[in-house]
Amino acid sequence: DAEITQSPRHKITETGRQVTLACHQTWNHNNMFWYRQDLGHGLRLIHYSYGVQDTNKGEVSDGYSVSRSNTEDLPLTLESAASSQTSVYFCASSESTLADTQYFGPGTRLTVL
Amino acid sequence: GIQVEQSPPDLILQEGANSTLRCNFSDSVNNLQWFHQNPWGQLINLFYIPSGTKQNGRLSATTVATERYSLLYISSSQTTDSGVYFCAITYGGATNKLIFGTGTLLAVQP
Repeated sequence: DAEITQSPRHKITETGRQVTLACHQTWNHNNMFWYRQDLGHGLRLIHYSYGVQDTNKGEVSDGYSVSRSNTEDLPLTLESAASSQTSVYFCASSESTLADTQYFGPGTRLTVL
Repeated sequence: GIQVEQSPPDLILQEGANSTLRCNFSDSVNNLQWFHQNPWGQLINLFYIPSGTKQNGRLSATTVATERYSLLYISSSQTTDSGVYFCAITYGGATNKLIFGTGTLLAVQP
């Protein structure tokens, strides 16, 4: 069955370190998204991609970057982790650029000490 | 920007009770989805419902786009229904950028 996976599921890192969170989907979806979830804010969009080599900033993109070298993967990089980036991160994908159902991965809980 | 508000913010039910969750949005939308986030944190799609009514077992949803709201009905609630329910919308030209409401926390007691 097609699915969307994230790794690692939990990570603890230190302030200033570079961290990369992986997202892999086997739906063959063109669109992929990264969100963060914090208490009191719900889910907020970080970055998104509508296809290979396409990346776009979302609502809370500062301090994050993504790259899309193939259809299946959209890794999220924290260039220099900050305590304010402690959060739960969700990856999602959808099939088309029209309004379409998004499917979410299981999430990565990141703690920055 | 567009505002997405959910009510009530939290709800406690006895098993077997019915409930209605509401999602209001401040502008026209292209897409509206309802999600359930279970106690383990997983986000599960419930409905893709930009307009009209859909039903799936004990759950149903209605979106009245012209009046800018959507309702999620849970009938004969079970303890496994516990968690947070989110509505999320897309609007304007950003047809794939979901904007989430802050959710309704539901606790179903046995």
